[in-house]
Amino acid sequence: AQSVTQLDSHVSVSEGTPVLLRCNYSSSYSPSLFWYVQHPNKGLQLLLKYTSAATLVKGINGFEAEFKKSETSFHLTKPSAHMSDAAEYFCVVSAGTYKYIFGTGTRLKVLA
Amino acid sequence: DTGVSQNPRHKITKRGQNVTFRCDPISEHNRLYWYRQTLGQGPEFLTYFQNEAQLEKSRLLSDRFSAERPKGSFSTLEIQRTEQGDSAMYLCASSLYFGGREGRTEAFFGQGTRLTVV
Repeated sequence: AQSVTQLDSHVSVSEGTPVLLRCNYSSSYSPSLFWYVQHPNKGLQLLLKYTSAATLVKGINGFEAEFKKSETSFHLTKPSAHMSDAAEYFCVVSAGTYKYIFGTGTRLKVLA
Repeated sequence: DTGVSQNPRHKITKRGQNVTFRCDPISEHNRLYWYRQTLGQGPEFLTYFQNEAQLEKSRLLSDRFSAERPKGSFSTLEIQRTEQGDSAMYLCASSLYFGGREGRTEAFFGQGTRLTVV
C-alpha cells in the first residue's frame, strides 16, 4: 500500500521569503515521487519528479525537493516566494502498481 | 496542442441521467488514468488502463461507473443514473510506461470535466 501525507493544508509566506511545503510518504516499494501545482481554474502541472537518481531534485520556477528515505519525506522548497507561486500544491507517490496517489494538497498564499 | 484533451469541459445534468466523458491522451502514451477531484481535496484515483486493458479499478468506482479504452487510444467514462454526490471534477491523465522503476514517468493531466448534478 502507498499513501502521502501533506502536513500543512495552508501555508502563508511573504513575497521574497523562503517556501517550505512538507510531504511524507508511505510505500511498500521503492517509490517515485512528484510535486504538482494547480492554479485556480487551471490543470495540474508537474513541478518536479524523483525516480531513482539524485536525491536533490530541481524543478521549474526555482522549486526543488529532497528525497530522504530515512525520514520518508519529500519536502518542496523555494528560496524566495513570488506572488505567482500562490496555488494548490500536491505531493504524489507512485509505486508498486504504478498508479499515482495524491496527497490532500497544500494551499500556498503569498503576501505582498 | 499535443496535451491531454477532455470533453466536455463542463456538464450539468439532472439526477438520474446518464453522462459520458471523453479523454484523448497524448498519442504515444500507453497508460491512461481517470481521477475524481472534489472541492478542497486532492485527486482520487478511479481507474487506469495500459493500452486497452483496464488494469485496476478503485473501490470508489461503483457499478454505475464504467470506463473503456477500446483501441488503446481515447477513453470514455460513463456514469449511469447520476446522483448529486457524483458532482466533481473528473480528470484524465496519461503517461508513458516502458518497464521497471525507471519507466515510471510522470502523468500529464487534462483540464478536466466539471460535472454538476442537479
